[in-house]
Amino acid sequence: AQSVAQPEDQVNVAEGNPLTVKCTYSVSGNPYLFWYVQYPNRGLQFLLKYITGDNLVKGSYGFEAEFNKSQTSFHLKKPSALVSDSALYFCAVRGRRAAGNKLTFGGGTRVLVKP
Amino acid sequence: DSGVTQTPKHLITATGQRVTLRCSPRSGDLSVYWYQQSLDQGLQFLIQYYNGEERAKGNILERFSAQQFPDLHSELNLSSLELGDSALYFCASSVGDRVTEAFFGQGTRLTVV
Repeated sequence: AQSVAQPEDQVNVAEGNPLTVKCTYSVSGNPYLFWYVQYPNRGLQFLLKYITGDNLVKGSYGFEAEFNKSQTSFHLKKPSALVSDSALYFCAVRGRRAAGNKLTFGGGTRVLVKP
Repeated sequence: DSGVTQTPKHLITATGQRVTLRCSPRSGDLSVYWYQQSLDQGLQFLIQYYNGEERAKGNILERFSAQQFPDLHSELNLSSLELGDSALYFCASSVGDRVTEAFFGQGTRLTVV
């Protein structure tokens, strides 16, 4: 079985400050990891993914994430947050042996960036 | 705009009824996924089709069924609806059937009364 934990329901950060959204996962074998963002009344938008290789993955809108195998984590980061980054962020995992492309999502973390 | 089209955007129906949700994937995408998003269950994977064939199955109820047609559009059929089926249903699509990012539609909000 595969699972994802996003320990924080909400993260508040001031505009211009660094933003971190935490994610830990559990999966058999090596994982494929994803981050998606959801704006109000919209579908999920893909931000970035880790498949293999460099542990630091760069994605859209200045976001990056670091894969840490020993800590089974894949935290999302942005050096300088914008008010427009306020949204709901989802981490997702898929085990390499899983059938198809079935993703298991975390419960989501709401990010609020204050001006 | 992700290129994935879902219809209808909103649907209100009574308990016991049956509804069909429709999804047109991005041009060129062969995989279609269905997800259910609710406050208590979060975002749950229901099912994946790839080029017309079922590829992966999640926690999809027996009252629910899906299919992907030769033109690659997909339909999710929900029957004997219950209040607890009220949720946002997302369709997503991707080029391949394995490790690839999926592109989500805007969802169909289903309200069962």
